Amino acid sequence: DAGVTQSPTHLIKTRGQQVTLRCSPKSGHDTVSWYQQALGQGPQFIFQYYEEEERQRGNFPDRFSGHQFPNYSSELNVNALLLGDSALYLCASSITGTDSPYEQYFGPGTRLTVT
Amino acid sequence: DAKTTQPTSMDCAEGRAANLPCNHSTISGNEYVYWYRQIHSQGPQYIIHGLKNNETNEMASLIITEDRKSSTLILPHATLRDTAVYYCIVRVSRANAGKSTFGDGTTLTVKP
Repeated sequence: DAGVTQSPTHLIKTRGQQVTLRCSPKSGHDTVSWYQQALGQGPQFIFQYYEEEERQRGNFPDRFSGHQFPNYSSELNVNALLLGDSALYLCASSITGTDSPYEQYFGPGTRLTVT
Repeated sequence: DAKTTQPTSMDCAEGRAANLPCNHSTISGNEYVYWYRQIHSQGPQYIIHGLKNNETNEMASLIITEDRKSSTLILPHATLRDTAVYYCIVRVSRANAGKSTFGDGTTLTVKP
């Protein structure tokens, strides 16, 4: 059973460029959340996708956008990159639809460096 | 989601129990306590969660106070591989209504 996978593992971009990160959820999971983790800090929630719609959003500018596909995989897009966008980007998947507590499974992350 | 407060760092001797505290005094009645850990440069790993009763699994035990304002994660026999950053978060139960708010966690160092 494959866990959460993310691609690429690392990438380097220049200020002003655009980047797309990809995530495949754990088998059987239908909800994907994205987090940004700066060095030495805890992960910060960006947004969450379920049924191909953005359901919740954290305190991030519109430069951060996303998409969820019918197979539940997801993309995170960041436009007009800033040096401060350098971070580890984490994808987490879970199951929606019940009131029972759920577990989020995290992927290994994509390390983005903006120069 | 309620905020949590954790000590910045803790040390533990290998083979001894590691007790990691967490304060969540503003927790709501429908919020669960979750613990994750993150080993350097990897994604966070789920450890355990609970609502108001103590919980135990193969990794750890979770003790939640009766007023639910604090909890303790217990690693009964810490090993060097348990060295990691441990995050305590509180979150509502429904996946599409809850987002995880992570603090800076506790860096646990297990020493030989």
